[in-house]
Amino acid sequence: AQSVTQLDSQVPVFEEAPVELRCNYSSSVSVYLFWYVQYPNQGLQLLLKYLSGSTLVESINGFEAEFNKSQTSFHLRKPSVHISDTAEYFCAVSLNNAGNMLTFGGGTRLMVKP
Amino acid sequence: GAGVSQSPRYKVAKRGQDVALRCDPISGHVSLFWYQQALGQGPEFLTYFQNEAQLDKSGLPSDRFFAERPEGSVSTLKIQRTQQEDSAVYLCASSRMSGYLQEQFFGPGTRLTVL
Repeated sequence: AQSVTQLDSQVPVFEEAPVELRCNYSSSVSVYLFWYVQYPNQGLQLLLKYLSGSTLVESINGFEAEFNKSQTSFHLRKPSVHISDTAEYFCAVSLNNAGNMLTFGGGTRLMVKP
Repeated sequence: GAGVSQSPRYKVAKRGQDVALRCDPISGHVSLFWYQQALGQGPEFLTYFQNEAQLDKSGLPSDRFFAERPEGSVSTLKIQRTQQEDSAVYLCASSRMSGYLQEQFFGPGTRLTVL
């Protein structure tokens, strides 16, 4: 069975500072990796995903994540955060099966302060 | 509608009551998922439908939980004889087709509180 660990439950950071949200997974088979974001009082939204190809994937709002197979990690980074990035971020994995069930980490609350 | 909708948004039940939570997926989406999100935790998979067929219900925590999607569109998650440990946000997601390349679109969730 696969599992996802997000070591940091909360990450406070000042506006315009860089941030890294850590995600590690365990699985005996190949996985597909996702980051979802949940803004206050809203549903989960897909931020970015890694399926194959380049190990560095980017989102439209400046976030990026790098798949590292040897370290079984998929950390999320942004070089300069905005107040509007304040949200809960969830890392998730999916196995290559028809069901596409997602296994989520516990989430990291990013708190951007002015 | 443009997205996945869920109703009610909030539900308070007394222990022992039955509840029914509704999910309206995006029109035409084949796959539908239910997840349970306890306070301070990530969502956990409950069950999965492809059209009207329930293909995976391995995540349902007990036989008090039952889900259906009789016409392959709207889905209902029913919890019988609710317990306090059932208190959580119940999330519904849909995707256009089945398979790992398909993005899941999530609804806002139903927050269930069992007193």
